[in-house]
Amino acid sequence: EVQLVESGGGLVQPGGSLRLSCAASGFTFSSYWMSWVRQAPGKGLEWVANIQPDGSGKYYVDSVKGRFTISRDNAKSSLYLQMNSLRAEDTAMYYCAREDMHNTFDYWGQGTLVTVSS
Amino acid sequence: DVVMTQSPLSLPVSLGQPASISCRSSQSLVYSDGNTYLNWFQQRPGHSPRRLIYEVSKRDSGVPDRFSGSGSGTDFTLRISRVEAEDVGVYYCMQGTHWPRTFGQGTKVEIK
Repeated sequence: EVQLVESGGGLVQPGGSLRLSCAASGFTFSSYWMSWVRQAPGKGLEWVANIQPDGSGKYYVDSVKGRFTISRDNAKSSLYLQMNSLRAEDTAMYYCAREDMHNTFDYWGQGTLVTVSS
Repeated sequence: DVVMTQSPLSLPVSLGQPASISCRSSQSLVYSDGNTYLNWFQQRPGHSPRRLIYEVSKRDSGVPDRFSGSGSGTDFTLRISRVEAEDVGVYYCMQGTHWPRTFGQGTKVEIK
């Protein structure tokens, strides 16, 4: 059974940093693109970043470029999102999602909540 | 970026009645490989999104056959043939043809 379990969310002040983790199981992690997708409270879904199976290619939505870094450790079947220079508008539930061969997200984690506030 | 526009944004439906959600994209979603990467997700209250439909009309495993997807180019539709109580939630379309991946605003389905 495919499982994605996020952790690392919490309350952080504007300008601060946070590192999210996603532990994957039930599939060959090193064979899949992985993404982070976020959802601000009461709002819709926004793709944030993704990473190629071997970690060589990384892509970001414009609003987080230069502030967020996606990475992975295939030996640990884990995905990460380092978030720096956080802003109030980064407040959201952050989901880890697996990308399949149909250019879409077939499995999602339960999410971890990030709140940026003073 | 490709803009995905859903309508309506709110959809009250009586149990057992059909429902239909429209999704329009600002650019054609036909990819160079000939496939159209348009997806539908369901998000029940308090839950993570769940994919229902991929490539316009292909249902995911375990998705009831009362859900169906159709469309082409820039115009797509999700239909629920007979709404059940468990269908309450927000439905999102998403395109996987262009970068970045983009979602519609969401359509809230509720029981009338």
